[in-house]
Amino acid sequence: AQKVTQAQTEISVVEKEDVTLDCVYETRDTTYYLFWYKQPPSGELVFLIRRNSFDEQNEISGRYSWNFQKSTSSFNFTITASQVVDSAVYFCALRCIEEYGNKLVFGAGTILRVKS
Amino acid sequence: NAGVTQTPKFQVLKTGQSMTLQCAQDMNHEYMSWYRQDPGMGLRLIHYSVGAGITDQGEVPNGYNVSRSTTEDFPLRLLSAAPSQTSVYFCASSPGQTEAGTEAFFGQGTRLTVV
Repeated sequence: AQKVTQAQTEISVVEKEDVTLDCVYETRDTTYYLFWYKQPPSGELVFLIRRNSFDEQNEISGRYSWNFQKSTSSFNFTITASQVVDSAVYFCALRCIEEYGNKLVFGAGTILRVKS
Repeated sequence: NAGVTQTPKFQVLKTGQSMTLQCAQDMNHEYMSWYRQDPGMGLRLIHYSVGAGITDQGEVPNGYNVSRSTTEDFPLRLLSAAPSQTSVYFCASSPGQTEAGTEAFFGQGTRLTVV
């Protein structure tokens, strides 16, 4: 089955704290893609990053970093020195090629609240 | 660049009414999808299409119909609205299998309330 689990429903942190959002996925496919999206209070969905199943390199973009581990089927997202503007709902998503014909499946999302 | 355009942005329906949510994309993408977003449940796939004339059901298809007569348009029809269909609806498009790693592009969403 193709499934994404974001076990953290809601996280609250104080500004400048580091925070990690967890994402665990399930698939039998060998070729798949993982994505993170941000949904700020305004409601639109903003693409953050993609990773394919053959590339386990971690990535850093400013205060954002992503840790992809196939051994644990996880694709976690860390925000360093969080800011109030990071407050949003964050979604992890999975697209499988063989099993589910390119459908994009989302996790339930994690609400991040950053307090000043 | 328009990207993915959804209309309307807000809609209130009475139980039993029907309506069509419009979605259009100008990126010549093969894949288009409809999702609904409910609190605590993320985005759930309603229907999707891998090209003009081809549609298939997603996770929560009941009560909804789709068709894809052109590459650009993918309307979602509510046949007989029910309060359980109160939700935020998103349309998405992406290039296709040869570019499966490309992210999906989303419309701005439609907030639908069924009373």
